[in-house]
Amino acid sequence: GNSVTQMEGPVTLSEEAFLTINCTYTATGYPSLFWYVQYPGEGLQLLLKATKADDKGSNKGFEATYRKETTSFHLEKGSVQVSDSAVYFCALRSQGAQKLVFGQGTRLTINP
Amino acid sequence: NAGVTQTPKFQVLKTGQSMTLQCAQDMNHNSMYWYRQDPGMGLRLIYYSASEGTTDKGEVPNGYNVSRLNKREFSLRLESAAPSQTSVYFCASSEGTTAAYEQYFGPGTRLTVT
Repeated sequence: GNSVTQMEGPVTLSEEAFLTINCTYTATGYPSLFWYVQYPGEGLQLLLKATKADDKGSNKGFEATYRKETTSFHLEKGSVQVSDSAVYFCALRSQGAQKLVFGQGTRLTINP
Repeated sequence: NAGVTQTPKFQVLKTGQSMTLQCAQDMNHNSMYWYRQDPGMGLRLIYYSASEGTTDKGEVPNGYNVSRLNKREFSLRLESAAPSQTSVYFCASSEGTTAAYEQYFGPGTRLTVT
């Protein structure tokens, strides 16, 4: 079945550091890939998405590239801020499938 | 637009009690979903409704029932709550069933069963 694996957390960085959160997936065909962010006490918000191979999703300084050859969708940001502290979820949705398949989430804490 | 709203925000139940979690969306979306979030496990789909008048089971449907009351509203019912149902419940909606459509999430209901 389809699955998503994210790097283990928690991740703690200093402000202005470079961020990478790894995400790899297993799926048949060509799924759409998503990064969701959950701020403390809130629901999930879509951060970015990519719907086909080599697409780059970007938003709020975050980027992720859909790599079919490595089945990956790693999240990156060049300079993180304290306000980026949250839990980040990688997810996929296969063609014709109703549900999103989520990774386990990575908790990110940014210290000033 | 309020987006996706859920009530209540918090609930404590005793084992065996029943309750209904309410969800409504004002984006005229066709599809609606119920997920549960447990520590270290991401979100798992309980039930979904692809369109008004239809409902289907997800990964973890046991112990739950749903009703798609109309296009806006999708409720989740626990008939006899168990401690294993302690979780955070999220409702979501999307415009359509194509994989590229994103899902919009509500703020969640934190349920504790003692």
